[in-house]
Amino acid sequence: DTGVSQDPRHKITKRGQNVTFRCDPISEHNRLYWYRQTLGQGPEFLTYFQNEAQLEKSRLLSDRFSAERPKGSFSTLEIQRTEQGDSAMYLCASGYAESPLHFGNGTRLTVT
Amino acid sequence: SQQGEEDPQALSIQEGENATMNCSYKTSINNLQWYRQNSGRGLVHLILIRSNEREKHSGRLRVTLDTSKKSSSLLITASRAADTASYFCATARSGGSNYKLTFGKGTLLTVNP
Repeated sequence: DTGVSQDPRHKITKRGQNVTFRCDPISEHNRLYWYRQTLGQGPEFLTYFQNEAQLEKSRLLSDRFSAERPKGSFSTLEIQRTEQGDSAMYLCASGYAESPLHFGNGTRLTVT
Repeated sequence: SQQGEEDPQALSIQEGENATMNCSYKTSINNLQWYRQNSGRGLVHLILIRSNEREKHSGRLRVTLDTSKKSSSLLITASRAADTASYFCATARSGGSNYKLTFGKGTLLTVNP
C-alpha cells in the first residue's frame, strides 16, 4: 500500500490558463473521488469514478471542469480557463466497496 | 452541499483533557465516518460507525451515533498536543453503485501542551 499520490502538490497559474492535476490511487481500489476544499471548509464533492466509469458529477461543477480515469487506473482533473474562484485544495481519494476512503495530500491551486 | 455540521467550529483544550465534537446530519445514512486532517495535508480515516450501531471504540476514540436525532459525537480521551488537527464527520448514504461521502465543515481542535 503506497497510498494515494497527487501531482503536483502546488500549482500557481494565471487566470484564463488551463491546468491539469493527476491522481494515482491505491492500485486495488476501484472507486476514485475528487473533492475540493477551501480554507476553513470541509471537502466538497466534485466527481466520482467506479473503475473507468464516471458515475456522478456535482451540479456545482461547471463545464470548465472535466475528469477522466482511463482504464480505471490513474485519474486526471482538468480545469479550463481558470478563474480566481477556482483557487482551492483539490483532493483525490480512493476506496473499494464501502470501505473508508484513503486521501492523497492534495494539489493546492492558486489562480492569480 | 455539505450535509454534516460539526459543533463546535473550534475547540481549545489543555493536554490530558478530553475533547468532544458533535456532528449533525440531515438525511438517512448507511454509515458515518470521522476523519482527521493536519494543516495542508489530506484527510486520514479515524473510525466508521454503521447506522445499526450506537457506539464504537478505537484506542482513545469513542464514537456514538443517534439515528433518531441524526447526530454523532466523537470523544478523544487524554488528549495530546499531537491531536491538534481539524476533525470532520462524513456521511455515506445507501450502498450500491452510488457511494460517496458528504463532509461537514469540521472542528478545529487545538491541544495546548
